[in-house]
Parts: sequence; structure tokens; C-alpha cells
Amino acid sequence: EVKLEQSGAEVKKPGDSLKISCKGSGYKFSSQWIVWVRQTPGKGLEYMGMIWPGDSETKYSQSFQGQVTISADNSISTAYMHWYSLEASDSALYFCARHGGSKKVAFDVWGPGTMVTVSS
Amino acid sequence: DIQLTQSPSSLSASLGDRVTITCQASHDINNYLNWYQQKPGKAPKLLIYDASKLEVGVPSRFSGSGFGTVFTLTITTLQPEDVATYYCQQYNNHATYTFGLGTKLELK
Repeated sequence: EVKLEQSGAEVKKPGDSLKISCKGSGYKFSSQWIVWVRQTPGKGLEYMGMIWPGDSETKYSQSFQGQVTISADNSISTAYMHWYSLEASDSALYFCARHGGSKKVAFDVWGPGTMVTVSS
Repeated sequence: DIQLTQSPSSLSASLGDRVTITCQASHDINNYLNWYQQKPGKAPKLLIYDASKLEVGVPSRFSGSGFGTVFTLTITTLQPEDVATYYCQQYNNHATYTFGLGTKLELK
């Protein structure tokens, strides 16, 4: 079964750093892009960026470039999203998803999401 | 940037009804349009990609159509498990992906 497992909910203070994870199984993790999507009540679903775990090539949405860092450790089939200094506005539900590839340009497998709450 | 406008933003329908949701793009996006279903507390689920291709395992009562700027998602015979929020998503050659704001489908 193809699956993406995400790390648990986080409660942080403004200025804290944070890294959340997304572990893939059931397919060749190195050979399909992993994307990150943010969901908030106000803005809905927003694509943040993606990573090719095989060589860690990354692409970021303009809206999130410089705000987060996406990385991966292919040896343990895990992708990460990292914040160096959180703000209250980073409070959201974060999903990782698998990109279906050139023949299916869509996000075909999703993780359950990681809720991040940033509050003083 | 390409904007997607979904309509209606919410709708109420009865079991067995035919339901249609529309997604309008601000510019021509060819057939680069996907549809997702999201149930409360769950991740989105891919239903339709490339405007009309049914994802494996998705019931055949779901279908998609459209090209250019206007797209539709149709559920032919509404089932209780179809209560959810539906999102369209567009993509382009610059690897940017934009979602619509969603259509919340409830039972009447």
C-alpha cells in the first residue's frame, strides 16, 4: 500500500524553529516529487513547494520562497519542512502529498496532515 | 497568476440527485485541471485529473469535463458518502499549482 505518514501536531511559540516530517512507503520514494500544501480557514489550500528526494532538487511557490525550507533524506524515505523562526501566521494544517508524475500531474497520495499552532 | 473560481461555494442536495460543480479559470489552462474531495478531518483525495480522467478506485458516478477556462465536476447519483468539500486545482508549465476555494456539499 502506498502511504505517506506525517509527524504529530506541534504547538510552538513565535520565534521557535520547527521541522515536520513526511515518510513514504510502498513505492520508490526517490523517484516521485513530494509536495507540501498548507491549509488554513482563510486561504484554503495553498501549494508551498516540492522536492525530488532522489537528488533533493527543490521548487518553491513564490509565496513561500524564503519562508520555509524543504529537504529530504532519501535513505529513510522522509521529506521535511523546516521553519527557522515561526510566526503566528504559520499556524495551519500542513499536508505532504505525492506528485503523480508527468503522466498524472496531480497530487495522488496524501499524508494525514500535521497541525502546527504558533501562539505566545 | 491564474485564479480559479468555484461555484457554488456551497450546495445542498438530496440522495440520488445529480450534482454539478463548476470551476472557472481566469486564463486558458488547456485541460490542466484536477478535482479533489476532502471530508472533515481528512486529507484531500484525488478524484479527477487532466479535467476528465478518473483516478483509479474512484466510483464511476464521478466525472469531469471541460477545456480552456470552464470545467465541471458531476456526481450522477448522490450517495451519503459524497458529503464533502470539493476543490479544483490547476497547474501550468512553471510548476505552479493553484486551488479553488472549495464547494461544500451537504445533504438536504
